[in-house]
Amino acid sequence: EAGVAQSPRYKIIEKRQSVAFWCNPISGHATLYWYQQILGQGPKLLIQFQNNGVVDDSQLPKDRFSAERLKGVDSTLKIQPAKLEDSAVYLCASSSPQGRNEQFFGPGTRLTVL
Amino acid sequence: RKEVEQDPGPFNVPEGATVAFNCTYSNSASQSFFWYRQDCRKEPKLLMSVYSSGNEDGRFTAQLNRASQYISLLIRDSKLSDSATYLCVVLTGGGNKLTFGTGTQLKVEL
Repeated sequence: EAGVAQSPRYKIIEKRQSVAFWCNPISGHATLYWYQQILGQGPKLLIQFQNNGVVDDSQLPKDRFSAERLKGVDSTLKIQPAKLEDSAVYLCASSSPQGRNEQFFGPGTRLTVL
Repeated sequence: RKEVEQDPGPFNVPEGATVAFNCTYSNSASQSFFWYRQDCRKEPKLLMSVYSSGNEDGRFTAQLNRASQYISLLIRDSKLSDSATYLCVVLTGGGNKLTFGTGTQLKVEL
């Protein structure tokens, strides 16, 4: 079974630029999550989708971050404009109702903002 | 107060040692509990769920104390391959929302 796919794996941008990340969850997983993991910290949930609807985006900085999952499968996370403190690994995860609450993570996108 | 608190370590132990990690959580309504493992520059992966009666998976034992809002992970006979960061994770609410601790780093040495 293919895992969660993410791209790009690495991205370096300057502050005030825009960036987008892509995620393809495990086939059949209805729930998709985006996390931000800053060095030395645990992952922090940014947004959770159930199919193409948003379940929780309470910790998403909506003035600069946006995410969509238009067809209920792939998802994109965008940052516009980026700040230095956005440097982190952005992890995508997916889960299914039958999965004992287990979330499967992709390899992440490591973002560096200069 | 953080929702999930862990000692960040690092814990440096010799191969074969027994090591224990502790974690506390602040939301008494939390429903489910897990330990995830994260290798350096890799994604987190589920290590084991934590049940109220305590549970064991090979060399790993997890315990939960709901009254004290405390979770533990015991690793016996440590191997070099156990070197990783161990994340304490709590499920709260009806939306399958996981809250992660900062993680405890373990280094097993020869």
